Amino acid sequence: QVQLVESGGGVVQPGRSLRLSCAASGFSFSTYPMHWVRQAPGKGLEWMTVISYDGNNQYYADSVKDRFTISRDNSKNTVYLQVNSLRAEDTAVYFCARGGDRDALDIWGQGTMVTVSS
Amino acid sequence: EFVLTQSPGTLSLSPGERATLSCRASQSVSSSYLGWYQQKPGQAPRLLIYGTSSRAPGIPDRFSGSGSGTDFTLTISRLDPEDFAVYYCQQYGWSPRAFGQGTKVEIK
Repeated sequence: QVQLVESGGGVVQPGRSLRLSCAASGFSFSTYPMHWVRQAPGKGLEWMTVISYDGNNQYYADSVKDRFTISRDNSKNTVYLQVNSLRAEDTAVYFCARGGDRDALDIWGQGTMVTVSS
Repeated sequence: EFVLTQSPGTLSLSPGERATLSCRASQSVSSSYLGWYQQKPGQAPRLLIYGTSSRAPGIPDRFSGSGSGTDFTLTISRLDPEDFAVYYCQQYGWSPRAFGQGTKVEIK
């Protein structure tokens, strides 16, 4: 079935880095843009970044554009989020999502929790 | 800065009642690029409506979307117990693909 599975979250100290992964299955991964969205505890959804189907274009929210990098490996059906210089306010569940019809986020993973704490 | 403002923040209704949720944009949004999502506690969001008024696969027809320009609406015609959740609108025509802050639909 169509599925996205995130991994790579955990507890990390402020200033450190982490790489999140999102493995896709059940669809033609290389033909869809992919997004990352995060949700801080008890808060709303925050869109962070998107990468085009071929990896040639990326866009970021202003809040993360200098510290986060999205990439993809279509041979592995996986999208990544490199998160650097982590801050306490980056504590959140990080979801990956597929950009479907007109880039609406039609398939979501279950999320991976990142906790930034000393 | 582009902002989507959802109202009300919380909607208290009984099963069987009609729910009307509003999403207002700080500048005009193409109707092709406005969507609605439902999120239940501990779960990932789920796409309900895309392109302002098209239901995603498997979404019951009690959910409908409408609007244009800067004002959009999600309507749930008769609330089912499973519909009590938080709802978000999102524009995805340009970056950043902003979400609204959400409307919680709770049982009265």
